[in-house]
Amino acid sequence: AQKITQTQPGMFVQEKEAVTLDCTYDTSDQSYGLFWYKQPSSGEMIFLIYQGSYDEQNATEGRYSLNFQKARKSANLVISASQLGDSAMYFCAMREAFQGGGADGLTFGKGTHLIIQP
Amino acid sequence: DAGITQSPRHKVTETGTPVTLRCHQTENHRYMYWYRQDPGHGLRLIHYSYGVKDTDKGEVSDGYSVSRSKTEDFLLTLESATSSQTSVYFCATKKQGRDGYTFGSGTRLTVV
Repeated sequence: AQKITQTQPGMFVQEKEAVTLDCTYDTSDQSYGLFWYKQPSSGEMIFLIYQGSYDEQNATEGRYSLNFQKARKSANLVISASQLGDSAMYFCAMREAFQGGGADGLTFGKGTHLIIQP
Repeated sequence: DAGITQSPRHKVTETGTPVTLRCHQTENHRYMYWYRQDPGHGLRLIHYSYGVKDTDKGEVSDGYSVSRSKTEDFLLTLESATSSQTSVYFCATKKQGRDGYTFGSGTRLTVV
């Protein structure tokens, strides 16, 4: 079973509208973290926002906010007032513990391709 | 910033040849990771390292080996490249604790 599910392979949104990108996750751990990354056409992975499982308030970073609903295992990214430069792939990822050496790492969803139209 | 450098950035190689990709970091981060990115799959973990000479397998480790002889370098080797290993490879690092992850710029590998 997928640990991170992004159900929207692609989205078209009008400029200046708000966008919600869906992400659900599956874990039995009590301590975990949820990340969103942006990947523009140039290919680099850009960190957007982080939510820890024990954080009581939803994370916000400028125009980005994370709608964290722990009981529903949902961590949707909200982009307010979208801009043409927001067109990119967006990945939801979950930090989980690994077996070796106290390490942890990220498991990614398959991504959502967001296109902002003028 | 050039905290993580991946080399080469692009490579075309023939089926059956060995290939080594290098990840070099100047951050002194303990943890290092290799991911591959393929359309429709997101990023998938190949191998990771939790210290010098300490490595372990990820989700898609078959056909890959890694080595970490120094904190700053994490090498990914395809012993005998196959067309299914055509992909974009990302290296990432993490310090410790709840810190975030830093990604390199990626290496685009094509196996013909």
